[in-house]
Amino acid sequence: AQKVTQAQTEISVVEKEDVTLDCVYETRDTTYYLFWYKQPPSGELVFLIRRNSFDEQNEISGRYSWNFQKSTSSFNFTITASQVVDSAVYFCALIGDAGNMLTFGGGTRLMVKP
Amino acid sequence: GAVVSQHPSRVICKSGTSVKIECRSLDFQATTMFWYRQFPKQSLMLMATSNEGSKATYEQGVEKDKFLINHASLTLSTLTVTSAHPEDSSFYICSARTHRANEKLFFGSGTQLSVL
Repeated sequence: AQKVTQAQTEISVVEKEDVTLDCVYETRDTTYYLFWYKQPPSGELVFLIRRNSFDEQNEISGRYSWNFQKSTSSFNFTITASQVVDSAVYFCALIGDAGNMLTFGGGTRLMVKP
Repeated sequence: GAVVSQHPSRVICKSGTSVKIECRSLDFQATTMFWYRQFPKQSLMLMATSNEGSKATYEQGVEKDKFLINHASLTLSTLTVTSAHPEDSSFYICSARTHRANEKLFFGSGTQLSVL
């Protein structure tokens, strides 16, 4: 069974603050992939990153960075110098070795205030 | 990059009518398509998985006779909500993937269904 937990249901920050969204996962697969998606108010899902279980290097893309810690089964997402346009719901997701079912976390609603 | 087109983006219908939602992969062959449902302020829940040319696999609790899924070609999957009721009002999202397992999923833009 797979499970993804995003303990923070809502986060509110002021523009230019840094914010970290937590994601903890459970899986019995030795090979798996982790994802982050952004869902703006318009509803569509925007792919942000995919990370496989063998690659624990942290990744940075502009103001976004991801910290993958296999030892704690966490894949946290940090936005540096947040902007109002970052306001959205962010989903962490996991897909196991069989590659069929994408399991989503409950999502974290981020509100960035000017 | 790969694009998945989902139509319509929004539909309002009367209770008892059927609604068809289309999901097309525009520049790749989607051997597998997934249909998700999202209630307001909740996460996405997988409804069913469809593989081209075969019957869809439904998740527990999803009525297959109510949510008809057809994946007749490598670029098109449809979800038909039959005899829709207000409790079917939700946001429906499709996603598509090539035959390679763990390939990046591409998502449609979603369909907001409102049943009056």
